[in-house]
Amino acid sequence: DQQVKQNSPSLSVQEGRISILNCDYTNSMFDYFLWYKKYPAEGPTFLISISSIKDKNEDGRFTVFLNKSAKHLSLHIVPSQPGDSAVYFCAARRETSGSRLTFGEGTQLTVNP
Amino acid sequence: GAGVSQTPSNKVTEKGKYVELRCDPISGHTALYWYRQSLGQGPEFLIYFQGTGAADDSGLPNDRFFAVRPEGSVSTLKIQRTERGDSAVYLCASSPSPQAYNEQFFGPGTRLTVL
Repeated sequence: DQQVKQNSPSLSVQEGRISILNCDYTNSMFDYFLWYKKYPAEGPTFLISISSIKDKNEDGRFTVFLNKSAKHLSLHIVPSQPGDSAVYFCAARRETSGSRLTFGEGTQLTVNP
Repeated sequence: GAGVSQTPSNKVTEKGKYVELRCDPISGHTALYWYRQSLGQGPEFLIYFQGTGAADDSGLPNDRFFAVRPEGSVSTLKIQRTERGDSAVYLCASSPSPQAYNEQFFGPGTRLTVL
């Protein structure tokens, strides 16, 4: 069963505007969440993370919000830049079960100049 | 500094053949992970090594898949009697340690095509 879901396969935004990527999870045992960005022919690269004890983490243009009661997290990119165009993966892990990451299906973000 | 490297970058094989995929982690990283990414999907966990030992191999789909890390550095993923359904990008990642707050650094992957 898909424990981490990204329901939007693609998102297109205008340069300078906000991009909001969403992720839902079903396993309440997840306690750490990460976002990865992937360019074609490259491996995923870490972007930002959040522990379940927080509801927000900010790093420059990137902010991740966590709503534990809704089992939902989102990644906000503002302002969006054409170089942000990539596939974004949401991932989750349970500290008690080791280090495996469970990924969502990914969302292709396209930022138009 | 070198990142995670994987060889070969592409591998085409015939159904029933044996393949080996190699991963060179970042120097000093004790944790090493293998994932498999099928088309249109996110990476799917296969196996995780802490040092030389497989700490979690619960993601390996069946006994045709095996992985080793004999000296705690380079790892090899081995697939016997390949099937067309094994076609995917195989990703390797390493981490300084397995604690949750340590990000995993991914290699570029090996694209395996089974004809």
